[in-house]
Amino acid sequence: GNSVTQMEGPVTLSEEAFLTINCTYTATGYPSLFWYVQYPGEGLQLLLKATKADDKGSNKGFEATYRKETTSFHLEKGSVQVSDSAVYFCALIYTGRRALTFGSGTRLQVQP
Amino acid sequence: SAVISQKPSRDICQRGTSLTIQCQVDSQVTMMFWYRQQPGQSLTLIATANQGSEATYESGFVIDKFPISRPNLTFSTLTVSNMSPEDSSIYLCSVELGHTAKNIQYFGAGTRLSVL
Repeated sequence: GNSVTQMEGPVTLSEEAFLTINCTYTATGYPSLFWYVQYPGEGLQLLLKATKADDKGSNKGFEATYRKETTSFHLEKGSVQVSDSAVYFCALIYTGRRALTFGSGTRLQVQP
Repeated sequence: SAVISQKPSRDICQRGTSLTIQCQVDSQVTMMFWYRQQPGQSLTLIATANQGSEATYESGFVIDKFPISRPNLTFSTLTVSNMSPEDSSIYLCSVELGHTAKNIQYFGAGTRLSVL
């Protein structure tokens, strides 16, 4: 079936460290891929997206590249800040469906 | 983008009662979705609500337990009926903008429900 697998958290980093959160997917056709972020006590916000192979989504210093050959969409940031502490969800919309399929979420904790 | 207002933001309810959650959007949208986020878990789709038609429920969710209304293009409600402690979750509505199949979804802030 169609699914998203994320690395388990929590991920704890020091400020200005490099961040990678791994995300792989299983889907028929050519899904659209997304990263959503959930700050404490808030709803989900779209962080970035990519709709076809080799697309790179970017926002607020975060990047992710749609890799069809490895069915991956890893989230990266070169230098994290304390304000980046949140839960990050990888998600997809697969062909023939309009709703999102989410991964399990990865909690990021950035320490000063 | 869209501004999505959910009410209530949180509630504490007694077992056996029902709660209706409202979702208001500041623009007309075709598709609205309701998700559940159980404590420490990811989001699971409850149903898709299109204006003018019956909601489409995911496996494991039934209309008697989670009735949904979609009276117009800017509003929807989700009712959690005959609640039990297992219904304690965050309930989120989202909307899809645009006219193609791969559009962006925007989420409300969610309703945090605790059932005693």
